[in-house]
Amino acid sequence: GDSVTQMEGPVTLSEEAFLTINCTYTATGYPSLFWYVQYPGEGLQLLLKATKADDKGSNKGFEATYRKETTSFHLEKGSVQVSDSAVYFCALGNFNKFYFGSGTKLNVKP
Amino acid sequence: EAQVTQNPRYLITVTGKKLTVTCSQNMNHEYMSWYRQDPGLGLRQIYYSMNVEVTDKGDVPEGYKVSRKEKRNFPLILESPSPNQTSLYFCASSNRGGYAEAFFGQGTRLTVV
Repeated sequence: GDSVTQMEGPVTLSEEAFLTINCTYTATGYPSLFWYVQYPGEGLQLLLKATKADDKGSNKGFEATYRKETTSFHLEKGSVQVSDSAVYFCALGNFNKFYFGSGTKLNVKP
Repeated sequence: EAQVTQNPRYLITVTGKKLTVTCSQNMNHEYMSWYRQDPGLGLRQIYYSMNVEVTDKGDVPEGYKVSRKEKRNFPLILESPSPNQTSLYFCASSNRGGYAEAFFGQGTRLTVV
């Protein structure tokens, strides 16, 4: 069945460092791919999305490209800030369901 | 403001005492779903609904019930809660099933003792 695997955390970076969080997926058909962010005590918020192969989603300096050939949707940001500290979830949407990775906690130190 | 509202935010209950967590959305979405979030497991889908009176099981439906009598509301019912249902629960809605962005509620932290 469909599934999402993302890198384990926590990831600890210094401010202005480069961020990559790896995400790979298994799916039938033509899923949509998402990155969500969760701040403490809150629900998940959409960070970015891509609905077909080779699409690039971007928002707030974060980017991810839908790579069908490698079944990946890695999240990247060129320069992280302390305010980016949160838990990031990779997700796949297909037909009537969403599938989420286990989440990666990002800690950014000043 | 577009939103998904869950109540209550926090709930402590005893084993076997029936409870309902409410979920309401104001975006006229047809698709709604429930998830539980547990450490190291991400979010797992409990039930989903494609429209009024249409519901189906997700990946972890055991011990839960849902109903969809109105488009905006999708309550989650635990008829006889057990300690293994202690978790953080999220309701979400979408306008195109799994292909469009899901909007999430703030979450309900449930503790069953």
